[in-house]
Amino acid sequence: SAVISQKPSRDICQRGTSLTIQCQVDSQVTMMFWYRQQPGQSLTLIATANQGSEATYESGFVIDKFPISRPNLTFSTLTVSNMSPEDSSIYLCSVDQGLGVAQYFGPGTRLLVL
Amino acid sequence: QKEVEQNSGPLSVPEGAIASLNCTYSDRGSQSFFWYRQYSGKSPELIMFIYSNGDKEDGRFTAQLNKASQYVSLLIRDSQPSDSATYLCAVNLNSGGGADGLTFGKGTHLIIQP
Repeated sequence: SAVISQKPSRDICQRGTSLTIQCQVDSQVTMMFWYRQQPGQSLTLIATANQGSEATYESGFVIDKFPISRPNLTFSTLTVSNMSPEDSSIYLCSVDQGLGVAQYFGPGTRLLVL
Repeated sequence: QKEVEQNSGPLSVPEGAIASLNCTYSDRGSQSFFWYRQYSGKSPELIMFIYSNGDKEDGRFTAQLNKASQYVSLLIRDSQPSDSATYLCAVNLNSGGGADGLTFGKGTHLIIQP
């Protein structure tokens, strides 16, 4: 499976600021996904990031709040904008290597908003 | 709306016994089904995926799928203390060449008692 890294691994931010999370994969992948895992909860899909096109957002998530870039087949960023304490969560990227195989997750970014 | 239901537990199983984890899903169009293991503070780790009705075995793990009943389960034989974790059931509408975000259940917390 692909090796996935995320930066930063954790951060503490002030409300009203923005944080950009990077996801790097060691091989080219078709699809990349961004998930959120709030404290004590399961994973919720934020958006699907396609190379060369705009991201597709799930219900309840909007581009102004969570802008996503996918400049090539090995890299994506998720920005959490105008943060509030409710955005405190773990943000995870995952990749699908095509052919219908399962998704693999990066190590996650732990975000605390004060 | 896609929903995946799991008993949150905790499910306590003696070491060496069989642990049985269950999951139901609401969308009859679901095509592929995944079990992830998540240790505290870590990202989800893929254990198994299954697409077809019946059983699929991989070492100590067996996934069982019944699409008519919209039910998927995971059996862990010869349970070890290292199996203690939260087990997440996830569902995907696509199979084969398609790729879609996953819908996760809330997870079952499994405790293997030495």
